[in-house]
Amino acid sequence: EPEVTQTPSHQVTQMGQEVILRCVPISNHLYFYWYRQILGQKVEFLVSFYNNEISEKSEIFDDQFSVERPDGSNFTLKIRSTKLEDSAMYFCASSLGLAGAGEQYFGPGTRLTVT
Amino acid sequence: AQKVTQAQTEISVVEKEDVTLDCVYETRDTTYYLFWYKQPPSGELVFLIRRNSFDEQNEISGRYSWNFQKSTSSFNFTITASQVVDSAVYFCALSEAYSGGGADGLTFGKGTHLIIQP
Repeated sequence: EPEVTQTPSHQVTQMGQEVILRCVPISNHLYFYWYRQILGQKVEFLVSFYNNEISEKSEIFDDQFSVERPDGSNFTLKIRSTKLEDSAMYFCASSLGLAGAGEQYFGPGTRLTVT
Repeated sequence: AQKVTQAQTEISVVEKEDVTLDCVYETRDTTYYLFWYKQPPSGELVFLIRRNSFDEQNEISGRYSWNFQKSTSSFNFTITASQVVDSAVYFCALSEAYSGGGADGLTFGKGTHLIIQP
């Protein structure tokens, strides 16, 4: 069964460093998402991406964040200058259609630890 | 703004008991979608069900059932004859219809930690 994959599974970085989290969505999916989950808290939407541009973003997704689909398979989230509060699990998701036409399938997550 | 409330932070039951997880939502849209996801201790998010606002039929899938009631803005999830493997955090989520043709993010509740004791 096709699945969303994410690399790395765990990333440790120092405050102020740039990190890139990578995701390979399900191959025929058209809509891509990033979410984060601070330890023990709820899952929060960051950004959605469709047709090679950002569709929607939350208040969390400020200028420190950017997303890119550099080729036909990868979808990346970049954090330019990490802060301690960026420590969280970051989930990538993809869907074939909008919420009414296709559910979002989530990857296993990347645990980001900022020290 | 949309909001999802899962008032039960943690529920603990003994195996084979039935358990219901509550979910109450708020939205101004008439078209919206509701979801349940399971997050086992391993951390991944597993899709369980999607429901659109026009379909109030209850759904049953094996030991799982869902009760959607627009009148009370609730979308509750029941596990019948619970098993230890059902132990996980369960999240209810909402997505509003997006008329702009782009993608739409999910708004999650805080989750209910379900503990099934042997």
